[in-house]
Amino acid sequence: QKEVEQDPGPLSVPEGAIVSLNCTYSNSAFQYFMWYRQYSRKGPELLMYTYSSGNKEDGRFTAQVDKSSKYISLFIRDSQPSDSATYLCAMSFAGGTSYGKLTFGQGTILTVHP
Amino acid sequence: DVKVTQSSRYLVKRTGEKVFLECVQDMDHENMFWYRQDPGLGLRLIYFSYDVKMKEKGDIPEGYSVSREKKERFSLILESASTNQTSMYLCASSLEKQFFGPGTRLTVL
Repeated sequence: QKEVEQDPGPLSVPEGAIVSLNCTYSNSAFQYFMWYRQYSRKGPELLMYTYSSGNKEDGRFTAQVDKSSKYISLFIRDSQPSDSATYLCAMSFAGGTSYGKLTFGQGTILTVHP
Repeated sequence: DVKVTQSSRYLVKRTGEKVFLECVQDMDHENMFWYRQDPGLGLRLIYFSYDVKMKEKGDIPEGYSVSREKKERFSLILESASTNQTSMYLCASSLEKQFFGPGTRLTVL
């Protein structure tokens, strides 16, 4: 079983839809949770960074963490064609000798069509 | 904004060649990382470094080595390139949050 599971999709939605992207994880020691967006042939770009259970909002994006269920989500409201990309969840342990190493999900390919 | 740059966007090499991939960051970050990304396999950590001249193996270090002589620069070396090393190579740096470079798409013929 992989430490971090993410549905690879692909996910196709119409413009304006609410998108929900999800990851589950098995190691309860993960403390920091991230979402990256990666456009085709580009490097991943950090979208959201959280370290506690609950919601964090940034514009049209909301990151949700539920540590008790080992489940994280990214919601995109009013999705746009420019949101079409691969979305990667990632997580890390706190401090010490972890050196900020990340464990990634497989990535979900999202297409928003006009 | 953090800037992570990689020396090449696209590279084509022959089997058996020695290949150097260079990465530079401008934010005085302690930690630097090299990943490869392949369809269906996601991002896999090759090596990382937490200080100058310090390095540690990641999940898939075989066939690779690294060098970190200066804090801002982290190099990935393929001693003798093979076709199964054709991939997208991504460099990242972090203090707390991890930031990625644009990637190098390497093709080994």
